[in-house]
This record gives sequence, structure tokens and C-alpha cells, in this order.
Amino acid sequence: DTEVTQTPKHLVMGMTNKKSLKCEQHMGHRAMYWYKQKAKKPPELMFVYSYEKLSINESVPSRFSPECPNSSLLNLHLHALQPEDSALYLCASSLSPDGGGNTGELFFGEGSRLTVL
Amino acid sequence: AQSVTQLDSHVSVSEGTPVLLRCNYSSSYSPSLFWYVQHPNKGLQLLLKYTSAATLVKGINGFEAEFKKSETSFHLTKPSAHMSDAAEYFCVVSDQGGGSQGNLIFGKGTKLSVKP
Repeated sequence: DTEVTQTPKHLVMGMTNKKSLKCEQHMGHRAMYWYKQKAKKPPELMFVYSYEKLSINESVPSRFSPECPNSSLLNLHLHALQPEDSALYLCASSLSPDGGGNTGELFFGEGSRLTVL
Repeated sequence: AQSVTQLDSHVSVSEGTPVLLRCNYSSSYSPSLFWYVQHPNKGLQLLLKYTSAATLVKGINGFEAEFKKSETSFHLTKPSAHMSDAAEYFCVVSDQGGGSQGNLIFGKGTKLSVKP
């Protein structure tokens, strides 16, 4: 199994809603990532989890709240979002988060397309 | 500091003709370099990677890239374009062995169009 699975594929929410994006991988990877991608732009790193602990938060607003319940799952909780948060949210995983074992190759999911009204 | 520059934002080729997508990088360490492809409304898929082994790297779908340290380049090529190659391509650099979790630098992307 070499897949990263993201649900839902599409999500429309109002600015007062609370929703969650989910990501799952069964490759035994110990690092998981959330990226945000706006149209015609490269992905922008949001969060990195290493061995289920948050290791990088790229100054993301608190209306985005990540959670890593176990080594296979990664969630992104959404609350009080703004229309400018509309984007494709990509989850990725890599074999190891440490420099020695990680050549940087990431495995990406297909993304969750979020629209905030 | 690391950086990566994709020299063309848009490349258009005819089906059956060669593809060249250009990428230059800057890195303080021995870099790992990658090309990822993203088809419309899809996630990113790794095409190929360079990690200080052979300088000519072969990837999936007939793509290859050559690491040229003297030119700080990692251009992506394919001898004959197929309609299914139409997509966005990202050149990515990572510092190898530098505690590189999450430390990937993406180029701005090159959109490849393939004409029938």
C-alpha cells in the first residue's frame, strides 16, 4: 500500500462552521505533513508531525488546528475560516523525519478542495 | 540558503516532440533534488529524484533529469511528449542530512501543455 488517502475530496463550509480534514497512510511513515495550495501556486508547508508530535508550525493561524491521533492518521480541524482560506489542502508523508534517513521524498494524497463561503 | 528557480512558467510542445523543463537551484549543502508532477485537481506525484548517486536520473513515464553541479541545474527532459504529460511540474530541493524534515523548497512550477 503506497497511498495517502484524504477525505473529503471536496468541502464547502461557512465561516462559522467547524469541520475536519482527514488523512491516512499505512506505509509505516513516521512523518506527516499538511500543505496548502492556492491555484497556480506551489504547495506551502503548514505543519509537520514527527513521530506523532508536532515539530513544525509555519506560523499558521489558530483557526487551523492539526491533530495526529496515531502514526497512520492526521487530521486538520477547521473553525471560523475566512474565504481566503479556500484552497487545496494536501497531506503528505515521508519515511523518516530525521535528516539521516530522509531524502526528502514525500508521498502526497490527492488533496481536499476547500471552499469557504 | 536554498532556492530553486524554474525558468519557464509555461512550456507548450506538440505531441511526439521533445520536452525540456528547466530548473536551477542554490544550496549550501549537498542537495537532494526532485521533480514532482501534478495533474489537474490531483495531488503531487514523484517523477524522479537525485540524491548524490548517478547524475543522470531516470524516472517514471520516460522522464529523466541530469544533475549538473557546475551549472547548478537539474533540467527535466523527455524525448517524445504524450498528451497525458500535460500537467504542472515542480522542481524541489532539499538539504540532505540537514535535519531536513519539512525543509523542501518548491519552485513556482512549470505548466506543460501538449498540442495534438
